[in-house]
Amino acid sequence: AQSVTQPDIHITVSEGASLELRCNYSYGATPYLFWYVQSPGQGLQLLLKYFSGDTLVQGIKGFEAEFKRSQSSFNLRKPSVHWSDAAEYFCAAFQTGANNLFFGTGTRLTVIP
Amino acid sequence: GAVVSQHPSWVICKSGTSVKIECRSLDFQATTMFWYRQFPKQSLMLMATSNEGSKATYEQGVEKDKFLINHASLTLSTLTVTSAHPEDSSFYICSATYEGQGTGYTFGSGTRLTVV
Repeated sequence: AQSVTQPDIHITVSEGASLELRCNYSYGATPYLFWYVQSPGQGLQLLLKYFSGDTLVQGIKGFEAEFKRSQSSFNLRKPSVHWSDAAEYFCAAFQTGANNLFFGTGTRLTVIP
Repeated sequence: GAVVSQHPSWVICKSGTSVKIECRSLDFQATTMFWYRQFPKQSLMLMATSNEGSKATYEQGVEKDKFLINHASLTLSTLTVTSAHPEDSSFYICSATYEGQGTGYTFGSGTRLTVV
């Protein structure tokens, strides 16, 4: 069955530290992949997306993600986290022929001073 | 860039009443709009997909008579929660596509519905 898995429910990092949020997908073929961020009580903002080509994708707010076909992963990274990055992060996938995004369960990021 | 406006941001209503939530694409024509529901600390669950001028397609387990969706124009879709009950309290988010399926999704800011 098609699925998107975010293994980490909650991650805490210190401000200035590096960050990696994990995302794994299970699809018959490589889907389109997305990372969204959601602040409390807010909608979703697109950070970055991968369709094809360069497997290292640059996004907004200093985020990047690397697509690894061999690992069926699309992990989100940031070299230095800011307090304002505290939010909920969702990985999502879309496959041609389907009609909507399928979301992972999300990872809540807490940033400590 | 593409902007989706969702209104209201929050609403409190009495049990048994109906509530309408609007989702507008402000600077593009959205041929397809999606409605999601999000429970606290959980992911987004797709409720239905609406295409302009046609009936919405509901996901399994979503009551179409309770959650009425109308997509009358390329810039507006509405979700009406009919005869709301406390268990309908949730965060509802719409999204719209603008580059064709799978290449661009813009989300509204969400609506917090509380039924008392």
